[in-house]
Amino acid sequence: QVQLQESGPGLVKPSETLSLICTVSGSSISDYYWSWIRQSPGKGLEWIGYIHYDGSTNYNPSLKSRVTMSLDTSKNHFSLKMTSVTSADTAVYYCARWAGGSNGSDYWGQGIKVTVSS
Amino acid sequence: DIQMTQSPSSLSASVGDRVTITCRASQSIGTYLSWYQLKPGKAPKLLIYDASNLESGVPSRFNGGASGTDFTLTISSLQPEDFATYYCQQTFITPLTFGPGTKVNIK
Repeated sequence: QVQLQESGPGLVKPSETLSLICTVSGSSISDYYWSWIRQSPGKGLEWIGYIHYDGSTNYNPSLKSRVTMSLDTSKNHFSLKMTSVTSADTAVYYCARWAGGSNGSDYWGQGIKVTVSS
Repeated sequence: DIQMTQSPSSLSASVGDRVTITCRASQSIGTYLSWYQLKPGKAPKLLIYDASNLESGVPSRFNGGASGTDFTLTISSLQPEDFATYYCQQTFITPLTFGPGTKVNIK
């Protein structure tokens, strides 16, 4: 049974760096695309980007200058770093697995709420 | 970026009703369209991929359709557990984009 679990601080100060980890169980991280998606309060879903198992990345241009994703195959997890956060980055952050192409993201974490506030 | 629109933004329906949600892409995306169900505090759930393929384990009352750049999600007989918000997503080209969502409320 595939499970994804987000972890990280729930509160980040403005201008600091948001760091999240998604731990994957039941599926090898050495396959698939591994995505981050967020939902700001009262708003819809926003794709942040993905990292492929080969280490290649693809980020949303709207966030590209502030986002870095990486993966650790030894720990079967992948991570998100977002620099210079503001209140606009307050959101529930989800990680998800995507097989690519016309497939949907078939497994998601439950999400982690991150608030940006001093 | 490909813009995704959804209609309606919300609807009220009763258990047993047939419900249809429409998603439109701003340009051709083939069948690179998925549908998700979101409930507060729960992991989003993939319902439909490749426009009309039912994800494993999803009840057959969910059906996806496509015509050009218009896509539909139909719930043939609404059940109590179906009250949620539904999103479409295109995976044709990055940045991957979602529709704004359709909230299905209890009438």
